Amino acid sequence: TQLLEQSPQFLSIQEGENLTVYCNSSSVFSSLQWYRQEPGEGPVLLVTVVTGGEVKKLKRLTFQFGDARKDSSLHITAAQPGDTGLYLCAVFMNTGFQKLVFGTGTRLLVSP
Amino acid sequence: SQTIHQWPATLVQPVGSPLSLECTVEGTSNPNLYWYRQAAGRGLQLLFYSVGIGQISSEVPQNLSASRPQDRQFILSSKKLLLSDSGFYLCAWSVAEGYEQYFGPGTRLTVT
Repeated sequence: TQLLEQSPQFLSIQEGENLTVYCNSSSVFSSLQWYRQEPGEGPVLLVTVVTGGEVKKLKRLTFQFGDARKDSSLHITAAQPGDTGLYLCAVFMNTGFQKLVFGTGTRLLVSP
Repeated sequence: SQTIHQWPATLVQPVGSPLSLECTVEGTSNPNLYWYRQAAGRGLQLLFYSVGIGQISSEVPQNLSASRPQDRQFILSSKKLLLSDSGFYLCAWSVAEGYEQYFGPGTRLTVT
């Protein structure tokens, strides 16, 4: 069983469309991170959300942490081909060490 | 500024052959170092982490081992590769546990 389930698994849209991807869990977290990974490269941190209900904006990307801190969403407005990539949510789990655990990922393809 | 290097970028190895992947970090001292494996288009799985020279912790028992011979050098090895070892291997560093992790460009390993 995955700690973090992301949906949808794959999303193919046209340039200019809006989209939302989700990261869900039954566990409560103190914070949650979103990464974007382009093909053949390592993930790059986009944002960390900490407070329940928090909303953070990064240009056309809007991140929200659920009120109960169990889930998060990423909304992209007017998607561009440069947004193409794998979007991963991640949380730190204390297993005697602060281990970074990643979600299952959403692969986004934005076509011109 | 800090940079992280991985090599080789791509590797094709036969089953039963040895493996050595190298990761080096520049511009920081005594970083935490991590090895992850990523299945095709999916989330990352932590394999090993190190908080200092010669200190290695294994997260997943398997056919691989890790070593940290120098402060900013992290090596992933295997004596005999299995088909199931194929994947995208990522190295990462952080200033301490629970802090943002910075990923290298990855090594694509194909075991044939």
